Amino acid sequence: DTAVSQTPKYLVTQMGNDKSIKCEQNLGHDTMYWYKQDSKKFLKIMFSYNNKELIINETVPNRFSPKSPDKAHLNLHINSLELGDSAVYFCASSQRLQGFAQYFGPGTRLTVT
Amino acid sequence: KQEVTQIPAALSVPEGENLVLNCSFTDSAIYNLQWFRQDPGKGLTSLLLIQSSQREQTSGRLNASLDKSSGRSTLYIAASQPGDSATYLCAVSRAGNNRKLIWGLGTSLGVNP
Repeated sequence: DTAVSQTPKYLVTQMGNDKSIKCEQNLGHDTMYWYKQDSKKFLKIMFSYNNKELIINETVPNRFSPKSPDKAHLNLHINSLELGDSAVYFCASSQRLQGFAQYFGPGTRLTVT
Repeated sequence: KQEVTQIPAALSVPEGENLVLNCSFTDSAIYNLQWFRQDPGKGLTSLLLIQSSQREQTSGRLNASLDKSSGRSTLYIAASQPGDSATYLCAVSRAGNNRKLIWGLGTSLGVNP
């Protein structure tokens, strides 16, 4: 069974569209994260949720809105997509917020044309 | 501001060789340090997590050390195999309330049969 899963794996869309990426973890973890990996392979935290509560919200445009319906799910909705949003987006989870290893999903490659 | 540097950026070795990957960080006030592996087009796999109070962690052929005072960690891979070929990423978790991970850019390792 996949521990952290994301859908879709690939997403190609045009500028201005709105899209969502879904993430689910079956590890029973309390904390979930969204990361962005750009073309230079640099990983940057975007958001983290702990027990459905937003903990970290980095300097991310408000076009990005995370939603956590329950502890096992953290979805990412992006409005008015821009070319610069093209990247690989990774979801991750950890047992708790502090001091525990993070487990990553396979990533969603978003291409905005 | 915490910065994480990994040297070398790329490394190519013959199969069977023992090797060391380096990670340095500028602020010694860390909570823990994690080593990850990323295979092309895939997500990240957590390899080892070292808490700030620990000096090293071992898992199979992997051994990670941590020297907080000098701001360094090393990942030692014994008897390398072609299957070890991947990008190895180091990430440090800040001490304090916001314990987000700060990432290095990784070392791309190729093990030649």
